[in-house]
Amino acid sequence: AQTVTQSQPEMSVQEAETVTLSCTYDTSENNYYLFWYKQPPSRQMILVIRQEAYKQQNATENRFSVNFQKAAKSFSLKISDSQLGDTAMYFCAFTPMYNNAGNMLTFGGGTRLMVKP
Amino acid sequence: KAGVTQTPRYLIKTRGQQVTLSCSPISGHRSVSWYQQTPGQGLQFLFEYFSETQRNKGNFPGRFSGRQFSNSRSEMNVSTLELGDSALYLCASSPTRGGQDTQYFGPGTRLTVL
Repeated sequence: AQTVTQSQPEMSVQEAETVTLSCTYDTSENNYYLFWYKQPPSRQMILVIRQEAYKQQNATENRFSVNFQKAAKSFSLKISDSQLGDTAMYFCAFTPMYNNAGNMLTFGGGTRLMVKP
Repeated sequence: KAGVTQTPRYLIKTRGQQVTLSCSPISGHRSVSWYQQTPGQGLQFLFEYFSETQRNKGNFPGRFSGRQFSNSRSEMNVSTLELGDSALYLCASSPTRGGQDTQYFGPGTRLTVL
């Protein structure tokens, strides 16, 4: 079984600054996908970024980037130039890469991020 | 393309009743997954349907069931409702079953059990 842990229940950051959200996971699988999802107060969950475990290069999407440390089973999300619209719950999620896993995601407990003006 | 839609958005039921929630995936998406979100347990996987067949099931009692129709629309049913079933129920759709495809989430159905 896989577990995903987010050790920071709440964080805050000033607008335009940088913030890093932490995520660790536990799995015996060698190939898997890791995700960061954002859930704004409107509740619609949105994919922020995805990382394939077989890729050594860290994924980036505009102001969002990850620090993926496979050996340490760590997957942190860095948000640069924070904007008010980044205020949301952020969930780290995992799914194994074998076919039967399908789209079954295991989520962490979430980090509530508040961006302050 | 229209996004994932879920109906109803809000629902109030009493203990012992049953409820059916509906999810319409994005056109062309064949996989639909369901998740339960509560403050205490967080986000938990319920089940996944693909081509009208349940492919995976989470650790939930048999009171939770679902199905998928030929047009990929999915329903989940909860029988004999308990107070602890109060939650936000999210569905997500994607084109295929592999994790390489993005899952798109609906707005959720907020179920309150009194």
